[in-house]
Amino acid sequence: NAGVTQTPKFQVLKTGQSMTLQCAQDMNHEYMSWYRQDPGMGLRLIHYSVGAGITDQGEVPNGYNVSRSTTEDFPLRLLSAAPSQTSVYFCASSYSRGRGGNYGYTFGSGTRLTVV
Amino acid sequence: LAKTTQPISMDSYEGQEVNITCSHNNIATNDYITWYQQFPSQGPRFIIQGYKTKVTNEVASLFIPADRKSSTLSLPRVSLSDTAVYYCLVGPYSGAGSYQLTFGKGTKLSVIP
Repeated sequence: NAGVTQTPKFQVLKTGQSMTLQCAQDMNHEYMSWYRQDPGMGLRLIHYSVGAGITDQGEVPNGYNVSRSTTEDFPLRLLSAAPSQTSVYFCASSYSRGRGGNYGYTFGSGTRLTVV
Repeated sequence: LAKTTQPISMDSYEGQEVNITCSHNNIATNDYITWYQQFPSQGPRFIIQGYKTKVTNEVASLFIPADRKSSTLSLPRVSLSDTAVYYCLVGPYSGAGSYQLTFGKGTKLSVIP
């Protein structure tokens, strides 16, 4: 059981480039989310999805796009990278309702992105 | 979503019990209290969740008084490996809002040998 898998682990982009951060989960979770974490800060929600074909914006959505064509995958696209998007990105997933007493989100190990 | 307040940092010696208190004065009737742990360079990890009274699992205990305006995460006999940032989150578990986890800056726990 792999959990939440994020790729790549590290990435350096030049300003203006675009790229897609991949996120996949194998737990049949309905909810999936993308967060960014800047140094010394908590996590901020970028986009989330409550099921395949359904996405919505979080707290800081500008400059990012998402889609959810399958339950398993939730890629995050940076349209035109900017230095302000230098951050660590985390993908997370969860059941929509608690099962077996575990109500929490499972997070991936993160993608460290640097935009120069 | 209810706002939470927790200490920025705490220090503890190995083997001691650590209690981290979180204030959430505006907690709503359908809100749950959830704690996550984050090690450096890793994603947060779910520790424990509760609604009222006391919840205990193999990792920690969560104490919630009757008015639910605060909660205390208790880590028994901490070791160096418990050095991490601990986040307190408050929000509805199911239904609208449960997918919008709001993380503050958390409490940085440093365990000293």
